Amino acid sequence: DTAVSQTPKYLVTQMGNDKSIKCEQNLGHDTMYWYKQDSKKFLKIMFSYNNKELIINETVPNRFSPKSPDKAHLNLHINSLELGDSAVYFCASSPRLAGASEQYFGPGTRLTVT
Amino acid sequence: RKEVEQDPGPFNVPEGATVAFNCTYSNSASQSFFWYRQDCRKEPKLLMSVYSSGNEDGRFTAQLNRASQYISLLIRDSKLSDSATYLCVVAKLTGGGNKLTFGTGTQLKVEL
Repeated sequence: DTAVSQTPKYLVTQMGNDKSIKCEQNLGHDTMYWYKQDSKKFLKIMFSYNNKELIINETVPNRFSPKSPDKAHLNLHINSLELGDSAVYFCASSPRLAGASEQYFGPGTRLTVT
Repeated sequence: RKEVEQDPGPFNVPEGATVAFNCTYSNSASQSFFWYRQDCRKEPKLLMSVYSSGNEDGRFTAQLNRASQYISLLIRDSKLSDSATYLCVVAKLTGGGNKLTFGTGTQLKVEL
């Protein structure tokens, strides 16, 4: 029973394409996140949603559009992919928006743009 | 200056050694502190929260010094299975909720 799952696990695509990554959590958490981990292993938050509402939107190009159809799902759509988008994208969830609560990460989606 | 700074390592230590990692953070408004562990090609997982009074979980001890904006992690009697990257994480409550900022991690390799 995977707590936070992501699909696909690997994604290889060409520049200019549009792709989506899906995330689902079965923990009953209210808050979900997308992170990007680049080649230097730096993990940076991109977005967070609380109960389907966008809460945090870091300075991410607007080619990246998150969508939360319900509080258990948070998908990430990327338009016009660029070489610099190559990274590992992690979805995460936490029980609540605030407080010192643990974030649970999905296994990651390794995106390679050629 | 990065918000959370860590020595990237790698720290190569023999099994059974004691090893300490340090981390500094720049934002004095940070409210919560954590150590996460990330194995190669895996997702980060919470190792332990860090409290001002210091806290211990088995072989792991975490300390926080708010005045110096400094966090540490001590691993005693290190095991081969402790080999991983250790991420220092600070959290701040913003208008948009709890925002975690990750350090770039310190790589630990425990050897026979």
